[in-house]
Amino acid sequence: KAGVTQTPRYLIKTRGQQVTLSCSPISGHRSVSWYQQTPGQGLQFLFEYFSETQRNKGNFPGRFSGRQFSNSRSEMNVSTLELGDSALYLCASSLEARKPTGELFFGEGSRLTVL
Amino acid sequence: AQSVTQLGSHVSVSEGALVLLRCNYSSSVPPYLFWYVQYPNQGLQLLLKYTTGATLVKGINGFEAEFKKSETSFHLTKPSAHMSDAAEYFCAVITSDSSYKLIFGSGTRLLVRP
Repeated sequence: KAGVTQTPRYLIKTRGQQVTLSCSPISGHRSVSWYQQTPGQGLQFLFEYFSETQRNKGNFPGRFSGRQFSNSRSEMNVSTLELGDSALYLCASSLEARKPTGELFFGEGSRLTVL
Repeated sequence: AQSVTQLGSHVSVSEGALVLLRCNYSSSVPPYLFWYVQYPNQGLQLLLKYTTGATLVKGINGFEAEFKKSETSFHLTKPSAHMSDAAEYFCAVITSDSSYKLIFGSGTRLLVRP
């Protein structure tokens, strides 16, 4: 069974640009979550989607957005990039339906560097 | 609001020694607690979880953790460290309500000396 796939794995952008990251969950998983990981702030929750609906959102500015498609694949977008957006962005999928279990399966992440 | 605190950003042990990584939680409702491990340049992997029932939970790779409500703790242990255990370990909490987000601790990097 294939794991969670994130693309691209590495990317470099400049301030002011925008970026789109993609995540393909494990087959059969309908919940997709996104986390930002930085040395200073650690792991922070961005948002969670289930059946194309955002169910939870973290405390990030509106520049951070996401969506989920009917095949459960998800994308997140960051507009007007700032230096502080440099981070490892982790996608995780799970079987969560009505009750959260907390059992997440993570991809290897997309490492974004903003210059 | 829920939170977890991991004591010690770095823990160093000798190969074969006991591993003890500390985690304390704060939650006004019964928590679900987790330990995740992150190897270099990889995502996170679930080691073990506590939801309800038995307070001593066993996970993968010989790790176990004990939920102690009176101490609000969920420490991770392994009797004998292997070199392959060197990684960063994260404690996390989620509530049993409708929240779908994990709250992670700041992480503890485990170093294993030969």
